[in-house]
Amino acid sequence: SQTIHQWPATLVQPVGSPLSLECTVEGTSNPNLYWYRQAAGRGLQLLFYSVGIGQISSEVPQNLSASRPQDRQFILSSKKLLLSDSGFYLCAWSVGSLGDTQYFGPGTRLTVL
Amino acid sequence: AQSVTQLDSHVSVSEGTPVLLRCNYSSSYSPSLFWYVQHPNKGLQLLLKYTSAATLVKGINGFEAEFKKSETSFHLTKPSAHMSDAAEYFCVVSDPRKTGANNLFFGTGTRLTVIP
Repeated sequence: SQTIHQWPATLVQPVGSPLSLECTVEGTSNPNLYWYRQAAGRGLQLLFYSVGIGQISSEVPQNLSASRPQDRQFILSSKKLLLSDSGFYLCAWSVGSLGDTQYFGPGTRLTVL
Repeated sequence: AQSVTQLDSHVSVSEGTPVLLRCNYSSSYSPSLFWYVQHPNKGLQLLLKYTSAATLVKGINGFEAEFKKSETSFHLTKPSAHMSDAAEYFCVVSDPRKTGANNLFFGTGTRLTVIP
């Protein structure tokens, strides 16, 4: 069966520090991968998605970036965090069409102070 | 263009009473529709999915939803609420015609509170 992992589960970082969040998927090949952010009291905002290694599409311009160095690994990064980067970050995967069912990881709670 | 509206940001029910979470969508074509549940500080879990088969879709944990094209609605129901149902619920619509770009649109969520 397929599983998705995210780490760390929680993170507290100072403003201006770098960020690296990791997501890995097991049990499937060539998945579509997604990064979402959920700010307090808001819905989900799609940040990036990827249909293959090295292929990244950005939905929202910001100081975040994403990379996909391996088929089942998706990394969210920032060189300098802002206060507004605080939120709950969710990774998800799907197979086939980008509009098909997405399966979500447990999330990372990021607090920028 | 597709969009989805969750009509209630917060719904409160007593344990053992029915649950109704409302969702309306706009789409030029028959979309795929989903309901997800999110417990506090957890990821989203798929409850059920509609993909143009039977209009009444049964999901996990006793939830079901009915696709009504004439009303452009996909409301989520459960006959009897349980304390463990307290969570945030998201209605999601996708347009299967679109390719090459993300085409999943999330509602803003409905927080369900269950009163003992």
